[in-house]
Amino acid sequence: QQPVQSPQAVILREGEDAVINCSSSKALYSVHWYRQKHGEAPVFLMILLKGGEQKGHEKISASFNEKKQQSSLYLTASQLSYSGTYFCGPRPVRDDKIIFGKGTRLHILP
Amino acid sequence: DVKVTQSSRYLVKRTGEKVFLECVQDMDHENMFWYRQDPGLGLRLIYFSYDVKMKEKGDIPEGYSVSREKKERFSLILESASTNQTSMYLCASSSPLTGRQPQHFGDGTRLSIL
Repeated sequence: QQPVQSPQAVILREGEDAVINCSSSKALYSVHWYRQKHGEAPVFLMILLKGGEQKGHEKISASFNEKKQQSSLYLTASQLSYSGTYFCGPRPVRDDKIIFGKGTRLHILP
Repeated sequence: DVKVTQSSRYLVKRTGEKVFLECVQDMDHENMFWYRQDPGLGLRLIYFSYDVKMKEKGDIPEGYSVSREKKERFSLILESASTNQTSMYLCASSSPLTGRQPQHFGDGTRLSIL
């Protein structure tokens, strides 16, 4: 069962902040985050591990709440280059593969 | 940098044809994956392989098979292509310890079945 990402789409002006949420119905071992620009391959952003620290990438950070089986991606002071579709990929505890969400489309306006 | 190369960016085939999609990675990764990407549905796993000649079904394996004869190469086979298999296909690879290591994706093959 795919995790639920919210919102499905968001439009921001450059410099604004955004939060993308990812919720799973299963107990999780880790959560991956990827960004895909139009016509390109998905690119790895970060992994959050069970019991691990919050990891960041430039002005993008994320959190992982193991008890709630949720992860959130925080984009601070968004830049035009942040536009794209963001996918979360939780890996359940009792599974050996990650399951991607349907994606969140982010569009940054100048 | 990890390089995952898919043999074709665009491919057009006819209904009933046997179609091969090839993927090669250059980082000696044990794990390789085939995904299908459709608008609004995200990335759905078709098959994955964690070693040569090993394979496991993903979430949507029906109508597909795979082959992994060499560590660097993972092939997706559409036994008898149908129009509902028109889609973007993405290959990925990673080190072992699924969940702890990032996946590296190829540029994708946009497949059209007429």
